Amino acid sequence: NAGVTQTPKFQVLKTGQSMTLQCAQDMNHEYMSWYRQDPGMGLRLIHYSVGAGITDQGEVPNGYNVSRSTTEDFPLRLLSAAPSQTSVYFCASTRGQYGYTFGSGTRLTVV
Amino acid sequence: GQQVMQIPQYQHVQEGEDFTTYCNSSTTLSNIQWYKQRPGGHPVFLIQLVKSGEVKKQKRLTFQFGEAKKNSSLHITATQTTDVGTYFCAGPQAGNNRKLIWGLGTSLAVNP
Repeated sequence: NAGVTQTPKFQVLKTGQSMTLQCAQDMNHEYMSWYRQDPGMGLRLIHYSVGAGITDQGEVPNGYNVSRSTTEDFPLRLLSAAPSQTSVYFCASTRGQYGYTFGSGTRLTVV
Repeated sequence: GQQVMQIPQYQHVQEGEDFTTYCNSSTTLSNIQWYKQRPGGHPVFLIQLVKSGEVKKQKRLTFQFGEAKKNSSLHITATQTTDVGTYFCAGPQAGNNRKLIWGLGTSLAVNP
């Protein structure tokens, strides 16, 4: 039981490049979310999913896409990276009304 | 919009002193969750409170949910260096319990 696995742990991108942050959970959780964390800004919701095939926007969705083809996987795509997307990204999952289990994060720098 | 505020933003204590962080919501919450994030780490779920006036304890940590379900507190008795980190509270957005509204956290530093 690995919990929530995020890859990569660190990434440096050039402005304009695209990439996918991977997130997988093995707990059969139906709810999954992507957050970004910036100093002084707390955790901000980017996108979330309530089940396979169902996604919705959070408070800061611009510049990011998601899909949920399986219960286990919830990748986050950066379409054209910008320096403003330099952040720490966390994927989280839960079942029912319980607290979220977070992955260990991806530290992304866009230069 | 709906907001969750935490105070204080930072707290420095001597090891052995008590610590309290407060969480206040602009709206009534169906539940409130508390998380701890160690420096360089990820948020870890601590507890969820659901009932008005609920009090739960985890060893030296005491969590309370206000009678009006708009505020909450986390109290740590006799802090230890292992308590260092940022403590966040979060509550479901009204009308969409899949969206959590997060406080900005209280960062705790403990001097040995």
